[in-house]
Amino acid sequence: GNSVTQMEGPVTLSEEAFLTINCTYTATGYPSLFWYVQYPGEGLQLLLKATKADDKGSNKGFEATYRKETTSFHLEKGSVQVSDSAVYFCALSEKGGTASKLTFGTGTRLQVTL
Amino acid sequence: DSGVTQTPKHLITATGQRVTLRCSPRSGDLSVYWYQQSLDQGLQFLIQYYNGEERAKGNILERFSAQQFPDLHSELNLSSLELGDSALYFCASSFQAGPRDEQFFGPGTRLTVL
Repeated sequence: GNSVTQMEGPVTLSEEAFLTINCTYTATGYPSLFWYVQYPGEGLQLLLKATKADDKGSNKGFEATYRKETTSFHLEKGSVQVSDSAVYFCALSEKGGTASKLTFGTGTRLQVTL
Repeated sequence: DSGVTQTPKHLITATGQRVTLRCSPRSGDLSVYWYQQSLDQGLQFLIQYYNGEERAKGNILERFSAQQFPDLHSELNLSSLELGDSALYFCASSFQAGPRDEQFFGPGTRLTVL
């Protein structure tokens, strides 16, 4: 079956540091890939997505590139802010068919300090 | 605010009881998804409905059932509750039902089973 593996957290960084959260996946075919963010006490928000190999998703300074050869979708940001403190989930959705479900990784908690 | 509403926000009940969680999708969205977030299982897909019909099923227990009504709102029914059912239950919606469709998440219902 499909699965997503994320680096374990928590990740603690100082403000303006560079962020990388690793994500690799296992899937049949070529899934769509997503990063969701969950702020404390809130639901999940889509941060960015990529639907085919070599696509780069980007939003709010975050980026991730769909790497088919390494089955990876690592999340990066050049300079984190305290407001980026949240839990980040990598997810995939299989292509094809008329149904959809998201398979999530375990989530990585990011804490950014001044 | 994603436009997806869930009620109630919190629910505290006892083992053996039955509860109903309600979800209203974003205006215009035809597909509704239910997910369970727990400490030990992480975020897991339960079930998907599209325009009133069940479209995909995940790790949903037989004690759980769901439906989508003609006005497109959805209800998740949990019965014979056990301590292990304590979790955050998220509803999400999307316009269509395919794997590329962005899912918008509600704020969740926190269920506590005592």
